[in-house]
Amino acid sequence: DAGVTQSPTHLIKTRGQQVTLRCSPKSGHDTVSWYQQALGQGPQFIFQYYEEEERQRGNFPDRFSGHQFPNYSSELNVNALLLGDSALYLCASSFLLAATYEQYFGPGTRLTVT
Amino acid sequence: AQRVTQPEKLLSVFKGAPVELKCNYSYSGSPELFWYVQYSRQRLQLLLRHISRESIKGFTADLNKGETSFHLKKPFAQEEDSAMYYCALSWYGGSQGNLIFGKGTKLSVKP
Repeated sequence: DAGVTQSPTHLIKTRGQQVTLRCSPKSGHDTVSWYQQALGQGPQFIFQYYEEEERQRGNFPDRFSGHQFPNYSSELNVNALLLGDSALYLCASSFLLAATYEQYFGPGTRLTVT
Repeated sequence: AQRVTQPEKLLSVFKGAPVELKCNYSYSGSPELFWYVQYSRQRLQLLLRHISRESIKGFTADLNKGETSFHLKKPFAQEEDSAMYYCALSWYGGSQGNLIFGKGTKLSVKP
């Protein structure tokens, strides 16, 4: 099991463009969470998906949207990119009804907006 | 609002010295607290959680609800402990809620 995988590794976009980031959860996991990590900061929660629906959402504008597919993989979409969206985007997967709480993180996608 | 504070950006100690990475939180309910670690060129991974009361790689952390703290401690630091450490809080009733992270402390253990 490769664990949580994310693609692409790096991405450069221009202000105003749209971007899609992808995440495949760890085998056996059904829940995907997305985090944004700006330089020098801790990860900040964007939203969480379970059963193809958004279950929780952090304090992010509607420009940030997501999707979860029947195979539990997920996409993060960001519209109308701003310079401030430049960050490392982390995906984390977990099993919602697990007896112990643990989120497994992917390596991240580095997004640069110019 | 829920918040996690890690007051030290960088902590530098010598090998064999004791280490304490500080974490304070603000939350009105019963939080779940975690320590995550990120070694160089590796992904973020869970180090320990307060409900487990376990010791991982010699590290321990005790939840002090009176002081709203969850400091990470190790009696004798090793060079391989050098990494970025993040304290995190879960607030969604423990049911796989989202995590609120501190800004992190970079631990550097010198030989």
